[in-house]
Amino acid sequence: DTAVSQTPKYLVTQMGNDKSIKCEQNLGHDTMYWYKQDSKKFLKIMFSYNNKELIINETVPNRFSPKSPDKAHLNLHINSLELGDSAVYFCASSQLLRNSPLHFGNGTRLTVT
Amino acid sequence: SQQGEEDPQALSIQEGENATMNCSYKTSINNLQWYRQNSGRGLVHLILIRSNEREKHSGRLRVTLDTSKKSSSLLITASRAADTASYFCATDLNTGNQFYFGTGTSLTVIP
Repeated sequence: DTAVSQTPKYLVTQMGNDKSIKCEQNLGHDTMYWYKQDSKKFLKIMFSYNNKELIINETVPNRFSPKSPDKAHLNLHINSLELGDSAVYFCASSQLLRNSPLHFGNGTRLTVT
Repeated sequence: SQQGEEDPQALSIQEGENATMNCSYKTSINNLQWYRQNSGRGLVHLILIRSNEREKHSGRLRVTLDTSKKSSSLLITASRAADTASYFCATDLNTGNQFYFGTGTSLTVIP
């Protein structure tokens, strides 16, 4: 049973294209996140949704648009991909309570050529 | 802005030895958590320590927290080859469920 699953695992695309990454969690959590991990392994929070509402929106280009159709799903759409978007993108979920840990998916490695 | 910073960036030890990793952070926190990331995988939660706690144990893991110094340490005792991974601290700010990570410590345990 995969608790947080994201697809695809690998995504190779050319500059200028638009792509989406999907995430689903079956843990019954009310909050979902997108994190970006760069080549130096620095993990940066991008967005957070609680019960389908955006609660965290860090300084991210507006080419990135998250969408949460329901509280078990959080997708990430990226327009006009740039070389600097190459990274591993992680979806995570948790309960919006203090002291609740994050549960991560296995990541989507995006390579923009 | 980056909140947690782990030190050292890389650590290589022999199996059976203890491994200590440190984390420093910048602002007040609600809790601090440690995660492990195996190569090509997502992060896995290891242990959480609240801001009013000073030490916590879980199996071979021991975490300390010093809020006056804004630092934490993770000790892995009797290390095993399977402990080879990157270890991250994450701070949960008082705003709640807003986790900030550092760049991690890459631990290699040599069999």
